[in-house]
Amino acid sequence: DVKVTQSSRYLVKRTGEKVFLECVQDMDHENMFWYRQDPGLGLRLIYFSYDVKMKEKGDIPEGYSVSREKKERFSLILESASTNQTSMYLCASRRPGTAYEQYFGPGTRLTVT
Amino acid sequence: GENVEQHPSTLSVQEGDSAVIKCTYSDSASNYFPWYKQELGKRPQLIIDIRSNVGEKKDQRIAVTLNKTAKHFSLHITETQPEDSAVYFCAGETGFQKLVFGTGTRLLVSP
Repeated sequence: DVKVTQSSRYLVKRTGEKVFLECVQDMDHENMFWYRQDPGLGLRLIYFSYDVKMKEKGDIPEGYSVSREKKERFSLILESASTNQTSMYLCASRRPGTAYEQYFGPGTRLTVT
Repeated sequence: GENVEQHPSTLSVQEGDSAVIKCTYSDSASNYFPWYKQELGKRPQLIIDIRSNVGEKKDQRIAVTLNKTAKHFSLHITETQPEDSAVYFCAGETGFQKLVFGTGTRLLVSP
């Protein structure tokens, strides 16, 4: 049973703070992803990684960075949190190749005040 | 890059009715199209998918159809039940193993 976990379900931070969101998967998946989910906008890709030390920008990378030091862990970093980064953040993992199921974490609802 | 459009954004049906959600995609090279269901407060989960070499796939009350020529695919739910109420996302897979998601459809099934 694939499990993707995220470090927090709810997080409240102040403007300007550095924020770390952690994601861990236990299925040895090479591919990992970070999305943000906003009403009416669906799931938008922030960053993804094909393997350790590798990262690629998604559709909305501005204001974010990522770190993948171990295969099972993918971290999303908000260098200086802003109110427009208030959102639900979802991590996901997937086997490499085409047509494989993508598994999501439970999400972190981040509020920046 | 790939762009996936999804309609409608909201769909209300009576229990027992059918529901249809439609998506279009832009990249003719896309070859895998999954559908995810997200119940309130929960993570998205795969409910059905289809590959580009298949025109239709069924799993009990849900089915997906794909028209590659027109670049659109649809989710069909028959005999809807209140537990079908959720947000549904379609997606297309790009050549970079990324899924591009539609904006979601909120389905409400009333008893």
